[in-house]
Amino acid sequence: GAGVSQSPRYKVAKRGQDVALRCDPISGHVSLFWYQQALGQGPEFLTYFQNEAQLDKSGLPSDRFFAERPEGSVSTLKIQRTQQEDSAVYLCASSLASSTDTQYFGPGTRLTVL
Amino acid sequence: GDSVTQMEGPVTLSEEAFLTINCTYTATGYPSLFWYVQYPGEGLQLLLKATKADDKGSNKGFEATYRKETTSFHLEKGSVQVSDSAVYFCALSDRGGGATNKLIFGTGTLLAVQP
Repeated sequence: GAGVSQSPRYKVAKRGQDVALRCDPISGHVSLFWYQQALGQGPEFLTYFQNEAQLDKSGLPSDRFFAERPEGSVSTLKIQRTQQEDSAVYLCASSLASSTDTQYFGPGTRLTVL
Repeated sequence: GDSVTQMEGPVTLSEEAFLTINCTYTATGYPSLFWYVQYPGEGLQLLLKATKADDKGSNKGFEATYRKETTSFHLEKGSVQVSDSAVYFCALSDRGGGATNKLIFGTGTLLAVQP
């Protein structure tokens, strides 16, 4: 079946612009995670949804970052007033249930802020 | 807080050589441990996992054993191939008493296998 998909795959933004990154999880997956991967580093947790509820947003680096999953399926990560330090690959992962450990990752969106 | 430390790369090996990538962890609870692999131009893929002490995860000739006494989860393969060239990430998941099942990753180890 289809895996996790993300769009766009690449995004170039000028500093100060707002961006929106989309994640389509595997159908039926309850849990959805966003991670940020800086160049040469491992992914770092940003936020977690169980269905439409955002249960953990402790990893969001600032109030410029906002995520939503209004119908419990597709999720959008929005970054307002982008800064150069926001340049990274943003990864989305989904898992079948909150008690299931295996997370399946999408290909990521590479954001470059000029 | 919980953390993962893995050996720095790059690791350069000849085809058919033995591979070890070291990984140690710090966790307050009883984590599950994972190895993810990222091939060039692709997303993260789960390679193997172990959910409790002394479990051995294995896949595609790779294996790793959950060692609670040494807090380690080293990745091994007896004979690497050029197609194994990728970045390997060690990770843990420690729900503790909370609801979040987030993964905590190491910094990744680049493996380059030469023919």
